[in-house]
Amino acid sequence: QKEVEQNSGPLSVPEGAIASLNCTYSDRGSQSFFWYRQYSGKSPELIMSIYSNGDKEDGRFTAQLNKASQYVSLLIRDSQPSDSATYLCAVNTGGFKTIFGAGTRLFVKA
Amino acid sequence: DGGITQSPKYLFRKEGQNVTLSCEQNLNHDAMYWYRQDPGQGLRLIYYSQIVNDFQKGDIAEGYSVSREKKESFPLTVTSAQKNPTAFYLCASRGGTGGSSSYNSPLHFGNGTRLTVT
Repeated sequence: QKEVEQNSGPLSVPEGAIASLNCTYSDRGSQSFFWYRQYSGKSPELIMSIYSNGDKEDGRFTAQLNKASQYVSLLIRDSQPSDSATYLCAVNTGGFKTIFGAGTRLFVKA
Repeated sequence: DGGITQSPKYLFRKEGQNVTLSCEQNLNHDAMYWYRQDPGQGLRLIYYSQIVNDFQKGDIAEGYSVSREKKESFPLTVTSAQKNPTAFYLCASRGGTGGSSSYNSPLHFGNGTRLTVT
């Protein structure tokens, strides 16, 4: 069974701090990786896609990928209360199949 | 505006009844997906379809059925054989028209249908 693992949290950070979210995956053949944000009762929305080793930055968000360690992370700089949500890590495990982690709940305290 | 429309938003059914959830997209996407989400959990794949008239079982297909007669539509039927049908159901599609570019594209989600079976 191909798996995607995340710490369920909750992760609590003060406003303005850096939030660090982590994800590991089991399928070494995975090639594309995604972070989604999901507010309570809503559908997931895409934050970042990453396909190659290293860092990818978009505004306050940075995704980091290390295929050798099978590890993906998401950094949120200058965290805001509006960032409080569940963050889902998703991995394409082969063909057209995408597997999601259970998500990490983030709370940003004002 | 292009997007994915799921209907209805809320659905209530009695145990033992089949129910069909609608999913329509106007993004011209080939691949479509159904996921289930239970409270406090991630998304679990039920079925997916890469092209019209073809679909594959996901990780939790038992008690569900789908059809893909049109590119735009991918309805999900929750049958009476599904033991715990109460959940949040999400339909998604993937961009591109085949090949490696669409394989690496992210999923786009509809707004979901919350099904309650009593």
